[in-house]
Amino acid sequence: QQPVQSPQAVILREGEDAVINCSSSKALYSVHWYRQKHGEAPVFLMILLKGGEQKGHEKISASFNEKKQQSSLYLTASQLSYSGTYFCGTARSARQLTFGSGTQLTVLP
Amino acid sequence: DGGITQSPKYLFRKEGQNVTLSCEQNLNHDAMYWYRQDPGQGLRLIYYSQIVNDFQKGDIAEGYSVSREKKESFPLTVTSAQKNPTAFYLCASKGTASTDTQYFGPGTRLTVL
Repeated sequence: QQPVQSPQAVILREGEDAVINCSSSKALYSVHWYRQKHGEAPVFLMILLKGGEQKGHEKISASFNEKKQQSSLYLTASQLSYSGTYFCGTARSARQLTFGSGTQLTVLP
Repeated sequence: DGGITQSPKYLFRKEGQNVTLSCEQNLNHDAMYWYRQDPGQGLRLIYYSQIVNDFQKGDIAEGYSVSREKKESFPLTVTSAQKNPTAFYLCASKGTASTDTQYFGPGTRLTVL
């Protein structure tokens, strides 16, 4: 079951904040977040294991609500370099990921 | 430097031809994966392998084949049976720990003429 990401696209000005959501109808083992620039490979951002722990990476952080099977990615004070497509990958075991269809983020000067 | 390499970066093929995409990793990862990405779409799993000489079909395996004769290598063959093979193909690998994630190679863009 493919996770559902929202919104599909978002446009920001530099310095603004954004939230990207990822929901699954199945119980999850972990959620993985990636960012992909056009024509390049996805780059790993962070992993969240079940337990609701929030992780952070500079001005990008994420949370995982195990009861709702939902994860959110928070981008604060966005920079031009944050532009790209963000994917969540959900795992029901340690073996494989199922990816959402992506959220296209555009940061304007 | 450790990482995943894919070759070639761009590949053109005539209809009816088989083509093999290379994927090599020196991360000592046991698991390897092949994904297909179409414009504006997410990643769809073609095949994956948890260990040498073993592999499983993913969600869209029809028209593709793989082999895993060595831990470092997981080549993907796109056969003439694949009806719409033009896409961006990504290879990934992953360690065995539950906290490990998948790391991706740079991808191969295949165009069928």
